Amino acid sequence: QKEVEQDPGPLSVPEGAIVSLNCTYSNSAFQYFMWYRQYSRKGPELLMYTYSSGNKEDGRFTAQVDKSSKYISLFIRDSQPSDSATYLCAMSLGSYIPTFGRGTSLIVHP
Amino acid sequence: GAVVSQHPSWVICKSGTSVKIECRSLDFQATTMFWYRQFPKQSLMLMATSNEGSKATYEQGVEKDKFLINHASLTLSTLTVTSAHPEDSSFYICSARAGGRADTQYFGPGTRLTVL
Repeated sequence: QKEVEQDPGPLSVPEGAIVSLNCTYSNSAFQYFMWYRQYSRKGPELLMYTYSSGNKEDGRFTAQVDKSSKYISLFIRDSQPSDSATYLCAMSLGSYIPTFGRGTSLIVHP
Repeated sequence: GAVVSQHPSWVICKSGTSVKIECRSLDFQATTMFWYRQFPKQSLMLMATSNEGSKATYEQGVEKDKFLINHASLTLSTLTVTSAHPEDSSFYICSARAGGRADTQYFGPGTRLTVL
């Protein structure tokens, strides 16, 4: 079993839809949870960063962490074609190097 | 914000040649830099971690004599793929850490290497 599991998709949604992206993990010691967005042939950019359980909102993006279920989510409201990218979840133990999921490819069509 | 650059953005080389990729943190000092490799539709695979002025720490299965990493200053790290072969073709991404937390790790735009 991989430490971080993430469905690669692709996930195709119409413009304006609410998108839900998810990851599960096996190491209960993870404390920091991140979501990165990666456009084709570009490096990842940090979207959201959360510590421990709970929700965090930033504009159209909401990150949710459920440590009891070892499950994290990223919600995108009012999705736009420009949101089409690969979304990678990542998690770490304190200042340790993050462990990445394989990424979910999201396609938002007009 | 924190910017990490990579050069070149893409390179094509012949089998047997060596290729050097540069990674620079443009507006911050990075005591730690990371090199990743990414295959199509796959996640980032950490190759090595380098700290300024010391030898890089390679992940298991990564040949240190094949992938030479030099972290000469707080803003520059280089990855040299020696005697490149077609199986080394991949997307190489560097990352630089500005502080102690994982969310202070910033990624470069990547370098696509194609070995003919």
